[in-house]
Amino acid sequence: EAQVTQNPRYLITVTGKKLTVTCSQNMNHEYMSWYRQDPGLGLRQIYYSMNVEVTDKGDVPEGYKVSRKEKRNFPLILESPSPNQTSLYFCASHSSWAITDTQYFGPGTRLTVL
Amino acid sequence: TQLLEQSPQFLSIQEGENLTVYCNSSSVFSSLQWYRQEPGEGPVLLVTVVTGGEVKKLKRLTFQFGDARKDSSLHITAAQPGDTGLYLCAANNMDSNYQLIWGAGTKLIIKP
Repeated sequence: EAQVTQNPRYLITVTGKKLTVTCSQNMNHEYMSWYRQDPGLGLRQIYYSMNVEVTDKGDVPEGYKVSRKEKRNFPLILESPSPNQTSLYFCASHSSWAITDTQYFGPGTRLTVL
Repeated sequence: TQLLEQSPQFLSIQEGENLTVYCNSSSVFSSLQWYRQEPGEGPVLLVTVVTGGEVKKLKRLTFQFGDARKDSSLHITAAQPGDTGLYLCAANNMDSNYQLIWGAGTKLIIKP
């Protein structure tokens, strides 16, 4: 079954404690993205990756890092989380940036930073 | 700045009623997508429209792309509780080949 998986699904942490949210896709897609979703703001892109070892900033990259060492994995790293990073996070993958292409989303990670 | 504004933000209606939600912008887009997101899940693509004036149907859902490719609507006929969810529109960012612009969504609740 084609899918995007994220772990953990829920995480409560404290300010400054480094954390990593993992993302994996089994569709051999080249393109992957991380989004955060906040009420009234919709989805905002944090980082995206066009292929292994190729990443770029999205609209809200401050406070986040990513890596793409393998095609299937695209972890999101928060080196020193702060309360304003409390949000719902989604990983997505797609095979191309063609205008008719479909983005496949993971189930989301709800992060609370105290 | 390219923005997508969705209206209404929230809609609660009875099963069997019809409804229309909107996605508007002052910018022109070459394509627009509608996604549905259910609680606890990620968005799932419903449809992509690419031609001005295009109408696509998905069972009881009818999607239309405006003639000028600046806006879109989603009409649901005889809404059912299974239609409950957050409906998001997204369009290609004309300034970047690798990004979509997202609306904030319409939260739809269909009461039995």
